[in-house]
Amino acid sequence: AQKITQTQPGMFVQEKEAVTLDCTYDTSDPSYGLFWYKQPSSGEMIFLIYQGSYDQQNATEGRYSLNFQKARKSANLVISASQLGDSAMYFCAMREANTGNQFYFGTGTSLTVIP
Amino acid sequence: GAGVSQSPSNKVTEKGKDVELRCDPISGHTALYWYRQSLGQGLEFLIYFQGNSAPDKSGLPSDRFSAERTGGSVSTLTIQRTQQEDSAVYLCASSAGQTLTYGYTFGSGTRLTVV
Repeated sequence: AQKITQTQPGMFVQEKEAVTLDCTYDTSDPSYGLFWYKQPSSGEMIFLIYQGSYDQQNATEGRYSLNFQKARKSANLVISASQLGDSAMYFCAMREANTGNQFYFGTGTSLTVIP
Repeated sequence: GAGVSQSPSNKVTEKGKDVELRCDPISGHTALYWYRQSLGQGLEFLIYFQGNSAPDKSGLPSDRFSAERTGGSVSTLTIQRTQQEDSAVYLCASSAGQTLTYGYTFGSGTRLTVV
């Protein structure tokens, strides 16, 4: 089974609107961390936000927030007030306490912000 | 250095030739990872180094792939007898540790094209 599933290959959003990028995960480890990365056309991977499995509050970092629904095993990224510079690939990733060596990445969502 | 440095940024090689890709992690980061990203795909784990421990090579796709990390710092990924399916972006990342909150810092990648 896929550890991380991103079901939206491509998304479009109007500038200044909010957008939600979906991510579901699969793990039996009670202790894990969830991450979102942005990959612009330049190719670098940029860390955006982190959510720990035991965190009570949803993580927020500026215009980014993570809608963490533990029972549903979902960790959706919400970008508020979209900007043209937000156009990029977005990857959801997970790290498990028992297999901490590697991150498991989803296949990514391509976000295009329309002026 | 301030970030993860990878070289070369682009490499075009003939099928059957050997190539070496270099990664210089952030100073003091004990963990180093190699991932491969094929066109339009997610990230595929290749290999992981943590301090002086034996590397986790479970992601290497064939025995043509090998990697070493000298002195716990710089790493070299070697692909022998390159094939066209090896064409991809090879990303290196480093991390300060194994606990869940430590994310990766990625380099800008090496785009390998095998012709």
